[in-house]
Amino acid sequence: DTGVSQDPRHKITKRGQNVTFRCDPISEHNRLYWYRQTLGQGPEFLTYFQNEAQLEKSRLLSDRFSAERPKGSFSTLEIQRTEQGDSAMYLCASRGGQSRSNTEAFFGQGTRLTVV
Amino acid sequence: KQEVTQIPAALSVPEGENLVLNCSFTDSAIYNLQWFRQDPGKGLTSLLLIQSSQREQTSGRLNASLDKSSGRSTLYIAASQPGDSATYLCAGLYSGAGSYQLTFGKGTKLSVIP
Repeated sequence: DTGVSQDPRHKITKRGQNVTFRCDPISEHNRLYWYRQTLGQGPEFLTYFQNEAQLEKSRLLSDRFSAERPKGSFSTLEIQRTEQGDSAMYLCASRGGQSRSNTEAFFGQGTRLTVV
Repeated sequence: KQEVTQIPAALSVPEGENLVLNCSFTDSAIYNLQWFRQDPGKGLTSLLLIQSSQREQTSGRLNASLDKSSGRSTLYIAASQPGDSATYLCAGLYSGAGSYQLTFGKGTKLSVIP
């Protein structure tokens, strides 16, 4: 399978716990995105990596959220001290190609987080 | 701020009917527009990508158009099938502070009735 892979698919955690999600992009893609989607809404941008550099973070990304992409390969998104409002689908996407704007984005299956 | 709007929020059609899904965007400085399909509880599957210099793209029974001047895109589905039932999302690629990022509409939930 050469698509975008996310792990785990589902996560249930108690409020106040820390959680970490992993995304493996399409191997030749140097651009990686994290999005968050709540029920009935479209995905909202969280953060962007080009290779290993985190170039942009949304104001949605509070101090409790941190993302990394060591060596420009897989990425992790960590949420500390989870709150019920963090319950959502967390989606990872990757894009490649020489052009910064003319390439298709591919999404993973997402990680569904439920904070109880 | 860029905004993407999809109307209607839900649509129900009988099998075999041709249908059009609408997408409008507020900022004409769009680099490309992408249509996605999302099944319940799943991720997004890319359907069609239209570059800003293009007017339309076709894939099988799907045809997407882009009119930057009017801020509109449409997704045409021919001869709909029950397997087409899903939520369809459109997203415009815009330049952000440090990246090109997608801005999504809320989607149109399509139900194709056998």
